Amino acid sequence: AQSVTQLGSHVSVSEGALVLLRCNYSSSVPPYLFWYVQYPNQGLQLLLKYTSAATLVKGINGFEAEFKKSETSFHLTKPSAHMSDAAEYFCAVTSTTDSWGKLQFGAGTQVVVTP
Amino acid sequence: DTGVSQNPRHKITKRGQNVTFRCDPISEHNRLYWYRQTLGQGPEFLTYFQNEAQLEKSRLLSDRFSAERPKGSFSTLEIQRTEQGDSAMYLCASSLTGQPWSGNTIYFGEGSWLTVV
Repeated sequence: AQSVTQLGSHVSVSEGALVLLRCNYSSSVPPYLFWYVQYPNQGLQLLLKYTSAATLVKGINGFEAEFKKSETSFHLTKPSAHMSDAAEYFCAVTSTTDSWGKLQFGAGTQVVVTP
Repeated sequence: DTGVSQNPRHKITKRGQNVTFRCDPISEHNRLYWYRQTLGQGPEFLTYFQNEAQLEKSRLLSDRFSAERPKGSFSTLEIQRTEQGDSAMYLCASSLTGQPWSGNTIYFGEGSWLTVV
């Protein structure tokens, strides 16, 4: 069985500061990993995905994440926070089989950006 | 590409009533997924279709829930005899069949909020 743990349900960052959201996964085989963002009352938007190619993955809106197999982690970072980054962020893991669309999500991290 | 469309966006219903949600996927996508999201939690997988075939159902999908995709295009999710515990956002998503390393991605709709009173 696969699972995801997101450390910290709430993160507060100052505008212009580094954003770091932590995600650790559990999987018996190399997985696919995703980060999604959700704005209030909206669906999920894909930020980036790891599909076993490069371990450093660049996504939209200046976000990137690094897959570290030895640490079973896939932390999300952005060098400089913008007010528009305030949202909830979800890490998700799935198998590399044909049913890869069956994502297992973490509980989410709410990001607040202060001026 | 008009995105994944869901309606209604909001539904308030009395306990015991039946409700139905509709999802229109991105037109060329042959896979369609339903997820449920409760407040403060991440989405949970419910079921998915490839074309009109329902390939997998989660244990979360009790007998009161039924999903269909009759012509391999739009899908409906019906909840019979609603309970207060069914209050959640129901998310629909779609994708092509290919693996994500080929550029394939799951696209989510904006969700349908259900409140059971």
